[in-house]
Amino acid sequence: AQSVTQLGSHVSVSEGALVLLRCNYSSSVPPYLFWYVQYPNQGLQLLLKYTSAATLVKGINGFEAEFKKSETSFHLTKPSAHMSDAAEYFCAVTIRDDKIIFGKGTRLHILP
Amino acid sequence: DAGVIQSPRHEVTEMGQEVTLRCKPISGHDYLFWYRQTMMRGLELLIYFNNNVPIDDSGMPEDRFSAKMPNASFSTLKIQPSEPRDSAVYFCASSRPGGLNTEAFFGQGTRLTVV
Repeated sequence: AQSVTQLGSHVSVSEGALVLLRCNYSSSVPPYLFWYVQYPNQGLQLLLKYTSAATLVKGINGFEAEFKKSETSFHLTKPSAHMSDAAEYFCAVTIRDDKIIFGKGTRLHILP
Repeated sequence: DAGVIQSPRHEVTEMGQEVTLRCKPISGHDYLFWYRQTMMRGLELLIYFNNNVPIDDSGMPEDRFSAKMPNASFSTLKIQPSEPRDSAVYFCASSRPGGLNTEAFFGQGTRLTVV
C-alpha cells in the first residue's frame, strides 16, 4: 500500500526566506503525487501535482516541487516566503485506480 | 460552478443523537470522497464512491457511520448514535472522470462537535 510521510508538523521561516516542506512517499508502483494547501477554516486546494511527466513541477503562488525517485521524495519549495503563505500543507499520493492518501500535514508559520 | 457544497458548516449535537452531513459534488464529477480531519489523526479517508457506487469503505471507523450516494449530485454521511470522539471536521471532495490521479476538489467542511 502506498503512504506519505511529512517531516515536521510545524515549520517556521522568516518572510523572504526559502520555504522547504519535506515529503517522502512509499509506493510499489510509480505514484501520482500532490501538494495541497489548507487555509484556516477552509477545505484543501491543489497547489501542484506530479503525474509522471516533468520531474520538476510548478504550481500556484510560486511553489514548486521536484520528484526524486531515487530518494522517494517530493519536497515542496518556494524561493521567498510571503506572509500569505501561512497555512497547512499536505502531501498526498495515489496509484492508478486507488484512493488518495494524505500525509499528516505541515503547518507553515511565517515570521515577520 | 459553485464548487463542492457541504452542509451544515457547523453542527453541535448531544451524544447519542443522529447526525447527517450532506454534500453536493461538482457537476460532472464521478468520484466522491468523504474525509475526516482531527488534530490527532490528520486527514483520514472514510469512504469513496465512483458513479454513485461505494468502492472502498475501509476507512469508516465503526458501524455507527454510514454513507450513501443516491444520485450523482448528492451524498450523505450519517453517524448514529454520535459520540464525543466523533468531533472533527468532515470534508467532502469530488473529482472528474479520468481516475483518482486527477485533482480532488474539496468542500469547506462541516465542523462537528458532539457534547
